[in-house]
This record gives sequence, structure tokens and C-alpha cells, in this order.
Amino acid sequence: DGGITQSPKYLFRKEGQNVTLSCEQNLNHDAMYWYRQDPGQGLRLIYYSQIVNDFQKGDIAEGYSVSREKKESFPLTVTSAQKNPTAFYLCASNDQENTGELFFGEGSRLTVL
Amino acid sequence: GQNIDQPTEMTATEGAIVQINCTYQTSGFNGLFWYQQHAGEAPTFLSYNVLDGLEEKGRFSSFLSRSKGYSYLLLKELQMKDSASYLCAVFPGTASKLTFGTGTRLQVTL
Repeated sequence: DGGITQSPKYLFRKEGQNVTLSCEQNLNHDAMYWYRQDPGQGLRLIYYSQIVNDFQKGDIAEGYSVSREKKESFPLTVTSAQKNPTAFYLCASNDQENTGELFFGEGSRLTVL
Repeated sequence: GQNIDQPTEMTATEGAIVQINCTYQTSGFNGLFWYQQHAGEAPTFLSYNVLDGLEEKGRFSSFLSRSKGYSYLLLKELQMKDSASYLCAVFPGTASKLTFGTGTRLQVTL
């Protein structure tokens, strides 16, 4: 089945550590996105990529980094520079040439201890 | 710029009808999405409106007025499982990213 797979689903991190969240899609979508969601809040865009080897900052990119070496993969690294990383992280992809409908992964919940 | 407004919270009674409004001002418009998101889960697609008018899909309907920059999601015969956040998002056009509103948290009570 086509879809988006995020891992891990739950992650605990000590302060000062970098962590990487995985996102893989087999929908053949060119565009991929990372969103952050805090309790009771909407989605905030961290980074997005519209093509392999290229990505752009979203609204809250500070303290995060990404790479897009393959069409299927768009990992997100939460660095120690991110002051308040505890949140729910959602990866998504879409075909921007069509309706633009976003398909989401199941999310990764990061907790900093 | 992009601006999408939705009410933050709404409460409705089981079995009732509720209308969740969304107004938008965006540079470019190709269509408007509604997503449902239960707490701790990923958003799921509800509807996509491109043309003016009402589209019905079971208990859920979505309306769009492009000239007024306005949409609403209508939920009928509310059930407890409809308690969730409802996200309005605009697709500005080809090669553009979606712009989301902050979402409306709906609580269905007995």
C-alpha cells in the first residue's frame, strides 16, 4: 500500500542531544514537509522540499535541519539548538501539480527529559 | 501574504448540527481543504472544494464562496467521535505549499 511512514512513533531525548526523525514515502510525490504541533495548537511548518537535493525553511526552522538525498526520504534532525523540542512532529507529502492534497504520516512524539 | 481564520473552539450537543467557518486571504487560490484531526493522531482528509457551492459527503458537507474568501464545514447528526480538531487549508496553486488555519477544536457533549 502507498503511504508515508514515520519513525520512531515515540522518542525520548536528553537535553543537549541531537535526534533524527525518519520519514519515508512511496507515493512518488515530489514535495515533502515537516510540521510541528504543540498541544491544542495548529500545524506549524518547519521545512519543506519540492525536489531532491533542495529544501526551504518554513516558519519555524531554527534549531532544525533536513536533507533530501532521495525522493522517498526526508529526515528531520532536531538539534540541541532547538530550545523547546518537546512536540508532535508530522511528516507529509503531496503532488503539487495535482490537487495539492497532503498525505500525512502517523507522527512522531518527541519528549525531552 | 496568507491569512486563514477559524474559531478556536466550539461545543455542540450529540445529534445536533454544527457549522465551522473559515475565512481566508491568500495570494493565489486553487482550492480549499478540510481535514479532521483527533488528538495525538495525524490529520485525515475530509473534503476539497475548488468551485463555489456546497459539496455533500454523508454527514459532512463543505461550502465554498471564492468571491467572499469564505468556507464552512457542516457536520450533521453529531456523534461523540466527531470530537476533534478541524483544519482549514488553502492550496494557492501549482508548485505551492498549503497554508493551514490554526484549527477549530470541536467538543461534542451529551
